This record gives sequence, C-alpha cells and structure tokens, in this order.
Amino acid sequence: DSGVTQTPKHLITATGQRVTLRCSPRSGDLSVYWYQQSLDQGLQFLIQYYNGEERAKGNILERFSAQQFPDLHSELNLSSLELGDSALYFCASSRGEGSYNEQFFGPGTRLTVL
Amino acid sequence: TQLLEQSPQFLSIQEGENLTVYCNSSSVFSSLQWYRQEPGEGPVLLVTVVTGGEVKKLKRLTFQFGDARKDSSLHITAAQPGDTGLYLCADRNTGGFKTIFGAGTRLFVKA
Repeated sequence: DSGVTQTPKHLITATGQRVTLRCSPRSGDLSVYWYQQSLDQGLQFLIQYYNGEERAKGNILERFSAQQFPDLHSELNLSSLELGDSALYFCASSRGEGSYNEQFFGPGTRLTVL
Repeated sequence: TQLLEQSPQFLSIQEGENLTVYCNSSSVFSSLQWYRQEPGEGPVLLVTVVTGGEVKKLKRLTFQFGDARKDSSLHITAAQPGDTGLYLCADRNTGGFKTIFGAGTRLFVKA
C-alpha cells in the first residue's frame, strides 16, 4: 500500500459524458501527478501540481483538466469522453516537486468509455 | 521528444532462470529510474541511477547504467514467480518535472 488513494476504482460511462477522478496523496506529500496508461500509448504523464499550483504539463488533452485543493487532494476531470479515453488513470504523489523526490503511485482508476 | 525503447516486449521464463531486459533512450537520461508494476496496481520504484557506468544491486536484481547515460539493463538472477510484472524504465526529467516512461517489458515467471 503506497498510501495514495484513488476513487473510484472502476468507472464505466458513455461517450460524450464527463467524469471526475479523485486522488488523495500520502500524508505530508505536497506534489500530485496524474498519468494515463493505455495499451497503445503506455504510461503517459498528464499534469503535476505542487501545493495547489500547476507545475508541469504533459500530453494532457484540452478536454481534460485538473486541480489540487487546499487539503492537497486532487481531481482530474475528463469531459466529452471518447472511446479512446478508455485507460487506467494513475495518481502519484511526492514530498516535494523536484525530480529527486520519489513518486508513490496509487492503485489507479480504470475508465471504460462505451 | 525523448523516446525510451525497452526490449524485449514480453518474456516468459521458468523459475530459477536468469534474464536481462534493456532500456535505450534517444537522448541522454537526466535521471534513470526502473519501476515494477504488478497487475491491478500502480508502478513501484525499484531504483534511481544518475551516474554513467553506475551499477546498483537490489537483492537478485542488478541495474547497470551505460557510460554514455543513454542505455540501461536490468538483470534478474534466479527469477521467481513473485518477479512477474511489467518492468518500466523512466527518465525523471529534471528540467520540466516530467517523467517519461518506456513501454515496458512484461515478465512472466512460471513456477
């Protein structure tokens, strides 16, 4: 158990819908990262927040947005869902924001878009 | 854009055998990491290496970083069923806080 929690574990929805994935970092961690893992693209970095501020952006679509709240939990919002958005979505957290900080991954949310 | 290539893509071996998996980068690594991901779970960090030529050992796992810092290998001695999983190499990019992952080697160790 990494100490990072993600809800829900599974999510099944239809094309065109909007969903919200939630992540609670390990106690004391200020950085939260979001990743998407699909069979064809592998594990792709989406976005990083540190203490409520956006720090880095990766291959995140405009239909996707995220935020980190004052209590440090984070939410990833996915809208106008397409079949290709079906994937595992992982959240990770680390103590600080630099690359020397180990990232701890949550168990993921499996999103299925029908 | 940096690309990480891992080989082989898939490996199925018997318990007790040795194996080596590889990771090659299109550019110099900032900070090379190896992760293991088991089914239904997130990746878990195994090791971080930053110095060219560095060798690190973690029980039966030996990690080597190439002198030019563009390639790495992971050697497992006497594999066990518990080693089964997806092995991912990654570059923790110091400049932009991004982490880039390879596609992984999926290892299956049969009892």
